[in-house]
Amino acid sequence: IAGITQAPTSQILAAGRRMTLRCTQDMRHNAMYWYRQDLGLGLRLIHYSNTAGTTGKGEVPDGYSVSRANTDDFPLTLASAVPSQTSVYFCASSDLAGGGDTQYFGPGTRLTVL
Amino acid sequence: GQNIDQPTEMTATEGAIVQINCTYQTSGFNGLFWYQQHAGEAPTFLSYNVLDGLEEKGRFSSFLSRSKGYSYLLLKELQMKDSASYLCAVRDRDYKLSFGAGTTVTVRA
Repeated sequence: IAGITQAPTSQILAAGRRMTLRCTQDMRHNAMYWYRQDLGLGLRLIHYSNTAGTTGKGEVPDGYSVSRANTDDFPLTLASAVPSQTSVYFCASSDLAGGGDTQYFGPGTRLTVL
Repeated sequence: GQNIDQPTEMTATEGAIVQINCTYQTSGFNGLFWYQQHAGEAPTFLSYNVLDGLEEKGRFSSFLSRSKGYSYLLLKELQMKDSASYLCAVRDRDYKLSFGAGTTVTVRA
């Protein structure tokens, strides 16, 4: 079934540890995005990539890094996790090259940093 | 940047109509989206407006006025399964989305 997958589904992490959230899409969409969702704040863009090999900073990029080595994968890394990074993380993709307007979201990763 | 406002909560009765308003201030408008998000799930696309006017999709309609920085999502013939959060999002000229905090709609029997 086509779509976006994220792993892990949930994770509890000690502060200071390194963590990579994985995101894979099989729709051949050129653009991919990472958001965090916190109660009362809505979805906020962390990083994005409009095409493989390029990335850009969103609204809240500090403490996070991304890479886009190929079309399908867009991992998000927390180099040294802090409790304020406790959140639900959503990956999304869209077909910008094909004129697609809609972002499609993965199921999310619930991350708790203690 | 974008400043997007929508009500925090709304309650309505099954079979009724609910209108969720969204106002925005933007530095470069390039379309407005509405997403539905059930608790514990991912947002799913509902509607998209880039020109002024009403877009209808079955029980759901979305309206846009660019001059007023205003949109609404209209949900008709409410069903229990419509209980969810509804997210208003504005797209900028770089195709990035900025989201409002969401409106939680509770449908009562």
